[in-house]
Amino acid sequence: DADVTQTPRNRITKTGKRIMLECSQTKGHDRMYWYRQDPGLGLRLIYYSFDVKDINKGEISDGYSVSRQAQAKFSLSLESAIPNQTALYFCATSDSLGIGSYTFGSGTRLTVV
Amino acid sequence: KQEVTQIPAALSVPEGENLVLNCSFTDSAIYNLQWFRQDPGKGLTSLLLIQSSQREQTSGRLNASLDKSSGRSTLYIAASQPGDSATYLCAAYGNNRLAFGKGNQVVVIP
Repeated sequence: DADVTQTPRNRITKTGKRIMLECSQTKGHDRMYWYRQDPGLGLRLIYYSFDVKDINKGEISDGYSVSRQAQAKFSLSLESAIPNQTALYFCATSDSLGIGSYTFGSGTRLTVV
Repeated sequence: KQEVTQIPAALSVPEGENLVLNCSFTDSAIYNLQWFRQDPGKGLTSLLLIQSSQREQTSGRLNASLDKSSGRSTLYIAASQPGDSATYLCAAYGNNRLAFGKGNQVVVIP
């Protein structure tokens, strides 16, 4: 099984719908992250969490919310999806010091029509 | 804010040639620098991590160097193979953030 699992792998949704992307990890890491990747823009940080009670906004948090349900689970929600949120979304983890290597999930390809 | 730049954005090389990928970053106060590989539509695979106290890391045909003072890292891939075709991402870690470059898209021509 993958260390970082994202569900769903692909999703097509309509404008205005609420959607949740889920991430679970077996690395035992405290820190979890959500990134989005757009062609020509690279990866940008949406939200990050250093432990269950710690949630922080990243570069581009507007239009998104997150929930850290447990050490191993970190979900990303789009309350009202819009077409410019079409992107490849990645969940990642790192150790508690944050200076070790990051482990990324396989990504969720989200299309908003 | 850390800015990471990768040049060239895309390159093609014949099989067997050595690959040299460049990464520069604006803030030298980093803890480490990582190189990732990404295949089309796939996730990121960590290739090499260089701690700030190190000058280079090697794994098989891959070698990455780090010069913090000049804000540069270079990834060398020796004797390239068609299976090396992918996008290579450089990421600098500092201030609890991992800042990514936009990647070097590599095609190795058989």
